[in-house]
Amino acid sequence: AQTVTQSQPEMSVQEAETVTLSCTYDTSESDYYLFWYKQPPSRQMILVIRQEAYKQQNATENRFSVNFQKAAKSFSLKISDSQLGDAAMYFCAYRSARFGAGGTSYGKLTFGQGTILTVHP
Amino acid sequence: ETGVTQTPRHLVMGMTNKKSLKCEQHLGHNAMYWYKQSAKKPLELMFVYNFKEQTENNSVPSRFSPECPNSSHLFLHLHTLQPEDSALYLCASSQRSVATNEKLFFGSGTQLSVL
Repeated sequence: AQTVTQSQPEMSVQEAETVTLSCTYDTSESDYYLFWYKQPPSRQMILVIRQEAYKQQNATENRFSVNFQKAAKSFSLKISDSQLGDAAMYFCAYRSARFGAGGTSYGKLTFGQGTILTVHP
Repeated sequence: ETGVTQTPRHLVMGMTNKKSLKCEQHLGHNAMYWYKQSAKKPLELMFVYNFKEQTENNSVPSRFSPECPNSSHLFLHLHTLQPEDSALYLCASSQRSVATNEKLFFGSGTQLSVL
């Protein structure tokens, strides 16, 4: 079974600064997807960024980028030029690329425990 | 306006009550999911429905009973719950595809308290 670990329960950053959130995972699979989700106080989980394991290039989405180290099974999120609106709980998640009959692995995300990010003005 | 709407937003119930959580997606997706988010624990997948058919039950106790009457609606019927069932229940939907860009869209959840 896959596991996802976020070792930082809480992080803080000054507005306009850069912060990195850590995530490690354990899997025996070679093909999979990794995600970072953001959960603001509204509670809705919002996809921030995703990475396909077969791609060596790190994904980027505007101020958000990842450092994907497949051999080390590490998937950190870097937020540049932090904004007050970035304050939220951030979850790292894993999804297998395999699927059985009926596509049963689709949407089956394994989440980490989350990191609460505080942004100070 | 979120594409996935959950009601009620908050729910307090006694252990002998019967209640239902409702989820509706307006995105034309063909798969829907229930996740449980407990304090200080990772999100846990509970149920998966694909084209209205349940394709996954992640060893969830029978006091939780899902229902998916069509691809747009998903319910979670609750009865004789325990205090440890208090959690945020999140609904999600996706468009299942062999393409690699499948994404989950979440609702804002129902915060459930069992007294």
